[in-house]
Amino acid sequence: AAGVIQSPRHLIKEKRETATLKCYPIPRHDTVYWYQQGPGQDPQFLISFYEKMQSDKGSIPDRFSAQQFSDYHSELNMSSLELGDSALYFCASSPEATDTQYFGPGTRLTVL
Amino acid sequence: AQKVTQAQTEISVVEKEDVTLDCVYETRDTTYYLFWYKQPPSGELVFLIRRNSFDEQNEISGRYSWNFQKSTSSFNFTITASQVVDSAVYFCALTGGSESGYSTLTFGKGTMLLVSP
Repeated sequence: AAGVIQSPRHLIKEKRETATLKCYPIPRHDTVYWYQQGPGQDPQFLISFYEKMQSDKGSIPDRFSAQQFSDYHSELNMSSLELGDSALYFCASSPEATDTQYFGPGTRLTVL
Repeated sequence: AQKVTQAQTEISVVEKEDVTLDCVYETRDTTYYLFWYKQPPSGELVFLIRRNSFDEQNEISGRYSWNFQKSTSSFNFTITASQVVDSAVYFCALTGGSESGYSTLTFGKGTMLLVSP
């Protein structure tokens, strides 16, 4: 069965640089979620989209923005990167907002 | 606000032992969903089970079983005859209804399970 695809899988950036993470949801899933997991931490909800509109917003820094495109893929844009942004970033998708969220493999971002 | 508590930070067992991972939750919503996810050392988050607040029936899937008790706000997970491949961090999570946001997954801090041969 098709799963959530995230790219890149690993990303190394310098402080103050920008990064773009991409997420391709499971086919026919129209809801996409982004989570951030710091080392040894639980995943923290950042933001979600339903039918290309932002649906919920969590603890997403103002330096981050995200959107969902017409083909339902989503991108998380991160600017002015800080050392504390080093984390595993997960994208998840679900067929409906209350349904099970299936997670992608994650993008490991390292900020030097 | 919603909260999920996994009091066991780390559990070590020997293969073939049974182990129970505890999960206690807090929510003001009357409709909510509970989940368990597994995160092996490779890092991905693997969905294990979803349970809605109106379904208190316990579930068994192979060596895995879940006990949902609304009266004590608990959703415990038992692995029978544990195997080395069960070694992972296990997260209990909760989504809510209108008050908390339908789509927000609130995770517990996770329980690291180490199964040794």
